[in-house]
Order: sequence, then C-alpha cells, then structure tokens
Amino acid sequence: DTQMTQSPSTLSASVGDRVAITCRASQSITKWLAWYQQKPGKAPKLLICKASDLESGVPSRFSGSGFGTEFTLTISGLQPDDFATYYCQQYNTYPWTFGQGTKVEIK
Amino acid sequence: EVHLVESGGGLVQPGRSLRISCTASGFTFGDYGMGWVRQAPGEGLEWVGIIRRKTFGATTQYAASVRGRFTISRDDSKSTTYLQMNSLKTEDTAVYFCTRERDNFDSSYAYWGQGTLVTVSS
Repeated sequence: DTQMTQSPSTLSASVGDRVAITCRASQSITKWLAWYQQKPGKAPKLLICKASDLESGVPSRFSGSGFGTEFTLTISGLQPDDFATYYCQQYNTYPWTFGQGTKVEIK
Repeated sequence: EVHLVESGGGLVQPGRSLRISCTASGFTFGDYGMGWVRQAPGEGLEWVGIIRRKTFGATTQYAASVRGRFTISRDDSKSTTYLQMNSLKTEDTAVYFCTRERDNFDSSYAYWGQGTLVTVSS
C-alpha cells in the first residue's frame, strides 16, 4: 500500500499567517493527490485535485504543489474560517489512502 | 445540485451484518464511480472502497481492512449505492461517508454525504 505521511500533525498559527502542510508518499503517485478540509462534525470538502488544481469555489489563498512523492498545501493569509483539519489523499494506486491529518489551530 | 444521503446506520453486535445505503440526486448516477470513506470517533479518514460505473464494469476495490467482509454494490435504476458489511468488528465503528468522484477524468471526491454512524458493540 502507498503510505501517506503528513507533517506537521498540528500547526498553531495566527490570522494572516502563511502556512504550509507537507504530504509525502511512500512511492510515486505522479500528480494524483487531493487535499481536503474538514471541520468538526462535517463531511470533508475537496480543496485541490491533481496536486495543484483548485476546486471551483475554493478561495485562491489555497494552493497546492508537488509531483511524485512530495506535495505541499499552502494557505497564504490564514482566515478565521481556515482553522480546521486538512487531509491529503492519493488516488494513483489502490488501495487509495489518506494522510493522518493536520490540525490547524489558532495560536 | 448534487446530493448524497446515507441511511441505515445504527447499533449492531460484533459478528453481525449491516447494510447501509447512499441515495443520490442532482446528476446522472450511472455516469459516475462512487466510494465509501469512514472515520472512527476522534480519528482520521480511512478509505473503504469504490465501485466504478457500469461502462467500466462496475468493478470494485477495497481497503485491506475490509476486503472479504464488505461488499459495495450499486443500483443505477434507484440512484443508490450500498455497503454490505459482514462479520462486523468493534473497530468498524465509525461514521461512514458516501462519496462521488469529481468527474470522468478525476477520481478525487468532490461530493460527500453527511455520513451515517455505525456502532459495533455488544
């Protein structure tokens, strides 16, 4: 199975900060990586697909980059609505797998 | 507008079976692959499995943790996908989310149901 490792597990930041979350795959997944945002008690929301394609309606402060085994989700100018848990997911090879999540907290 | 509504969750004893459903609206159900993702209380997301659309043979794939115990099926005439769960274990306790692939060229999960809670306990 392709293991997905996110770092950090928890991130403390302030409104307006630029933050980055890293996701590493245990083998190449080329571009087939998605990022999701989840708030407590809610279903996840797709932010980015194919590593860097912003989903329609998602604010442009979110961006994704990477290819192969190393990927990054960047939030440029953290907003109050962005405090949530973020997950990466590879959909290159079955079984598809998620990272363990990164919780973005208010500093 | 795409809607996915799960149903059928509840309390079940270990070793027993349960079938949960996901009924879709707002799109041509038969044109899309559907999936299931679960989340144990306080834990992260776990991919459960998928069923492709019939033009791709309605084939299925599963996570190792459920393979051989869980079966995903679909009834396109009812716009519904099912997750049949057999030989349930306490570690299967989770909220189960139904998902739809983004489009025919990208299988990320653009659409999610609200989830249904399955509790496995004696």
